[in-house]
Amino acid sequence: EAQVTQNPRYLITVTGKKLTVTCSQNMNHEYMSWYRQDPGLGLRQIYYSMNVEATDKGDVPEGYKVSRKEKRNFPLILESPSPNQTSLYFCASSLPGTGSNQPQHFGDGTRLSIL
Amino acid sequence: AQSVAQPEDQVNVAEGNPLTVKCTYSVSGNPYLFWYVQYPNRGLQFLLKYITGDNLVKGSYGFEAEFNKSQTSFHLKKPSALVSDSALYFCAVRGTTYGGATNKLIFGTGTLLAVQP
Repeated sequence: EAQVTQNPRYLITVTGKKLTVTCSQNMNHEYMSWYRQDPGLGLRQIYYSMNVEATDKGDVPEGYKVSRKEKRNFPLILESPSPNQTSLYFCASSLPGTGSNQPQHFGDGTRLSIL
Repeated sequence: AQSVAQPEDQVNVAEGNPLTVKCTYSVSGNPYLFWYVQYPNRGLQFLLKYITGDNLVKGSYGFEAEFNKSQTSFHLKKPSALVSDSALYFCAVRGTTYGGATNKLIFGTGTLLAVQP
C-alpha cells in the first residue's frame, strides 16, 4: 500500500530535549516536505527536499533541521525544542519535477507537546 | 503575494442538502488548485485538482469544484451532503516563481464542514 509513515504519532516532552520525528514514504517520490498545522493558520511549510541531499527552507524553518540521505526518509529534527513548537506536524511527498501537478500524499500526523 | 483564503471557519448543512465550501486565491500566472479533506486524527487526503481545461472538476466521494478565473475562486461543492462528509477541508494553490509553478503548496486556514442528520 502506498503510504507516508510518521513516527511517533504523539509525543510529550520537555523544553530543550532533542527529538526527531521520522518520515518514510514507499512511493519512490523525490519531493518531500514538512508542514506544521496550527489553529487558524492552516498548514505552513517548514522544510522541503527536491531530492536526496537537496533540502531547503520553507516558510517557518526556525528551530528545525532536516536531512535527506535516502530518497524514502526525511526526518525532522528539533535540536532544542521550545513550547512554541507545540503543534501538529505532517510529512508529505509527491512525484518529482518542479511544477508537478500531482497531489501530495500526507502522513497521518505527529502531535508534539513541548512543556 | 501568493495566498489562499477560506472565508468561513465553519459551514453547517443538513444531510441531503447541497453544500458549498468557499475558496479564493491569489497567485501569479496560471493557478494549480487543490482541495484536501482531513478527518480526525488523520492526514490530509486529496479530493480533486484543477490544472487546466474544464472549469468544473469532479473528484472523490461525489465532490466537485468550480474554477472561476475572473473571481479567482475555486469553490468546493456537493449536490447532496452526507453526515460522513463532516471533516476539515483545505483549499491549496501551488506556489509559483519566475521559473513557473513549484511543488510548494500554499494552504488556506481550513473550513470545518458539519453535516447534521
